Amino acid sequence: AQSVTQLDSHVSVSEGTPVLLRCNYSSSYSPSLFWYVQHPNKGLQLLLKYTSAATLVKGINGFEAEFKKSETSFHLTKPSAHMSDAAEYFCVVRINAGGTSYGKLTFGQGTILTVHP
Amino acid sequence: NAGVTQTPKFRVLKTGQSMTLLCAQDMNHEYMYWYRQDPGMGLRLIHYSVGEGTTAKGEVPDGYNVSRLKKQNFLLGLESAAPSQTSVYFCASIGSSYNEQFFGPGTRLTVL
Repeated sequence: AQSVTQLDSHVSVSEGTPVLLRCNYSSSYSPSLFWYVQHPNKGLQLLLKYTSAATLVKGINGFEAEFKKSETSFHLTKPSAHMSDAAEYFCVVRINAGGTSYGKLTFGQGTILTVHP
Repeated sequence: NAGVTQTPKFRVLKTGQSMTLLCAQDMNHEYMYWYRQDPGMGLRLIHYSVGEGTTAKGEVPDGYNVSRLKKQNFLLGLESAAPSQTSVYFCASIGSSYNEQFFGPGTRLTVL
């Protein structure tokens, strides 16, 4: 079975400083990996996805993530935080097991990002 | 093209009452899912469907039933609501090419 661990439940940064949200996964099969963002009382928005192409993935709003198979990690980064980045972020894994996974997603516990002025 | 819609957006129930949440998608997707979101736990899969007339259990199915009588609709039922089912419920769908999974806006359910 697959699992996802987000290593920090809360991250606090100052506006203009780098953001690092850490995610480790475990999977018996080749995974697809995603980062979603959820602003307060809003739905889920896809930031970026890795689906076995380039290991460095660029997403929306200046975010990017690097898939490191040897470390089973998919950390999310942004060079300079903005106040509007304050939200909860979810790392998500989808197992590509010959079609038998039926597209099911496994979510991490979430990381709440706070951005201080 | 509305994507994935959920009805209702908010609901308050008393313990023991029943209700049905409706999810509709207009993208002709084969697969549909119901998740619940609780603080500190991310989203957890309740039930899913791989096609019209089929359903399967997810990670946390107890206390819920589902039906997919039409390809575009996926219903989630609570026969006898309990306070532990207070949560935000998200529906999602994806096509057979396993591209992006689309989420609905969520239903906030409170059981008193």
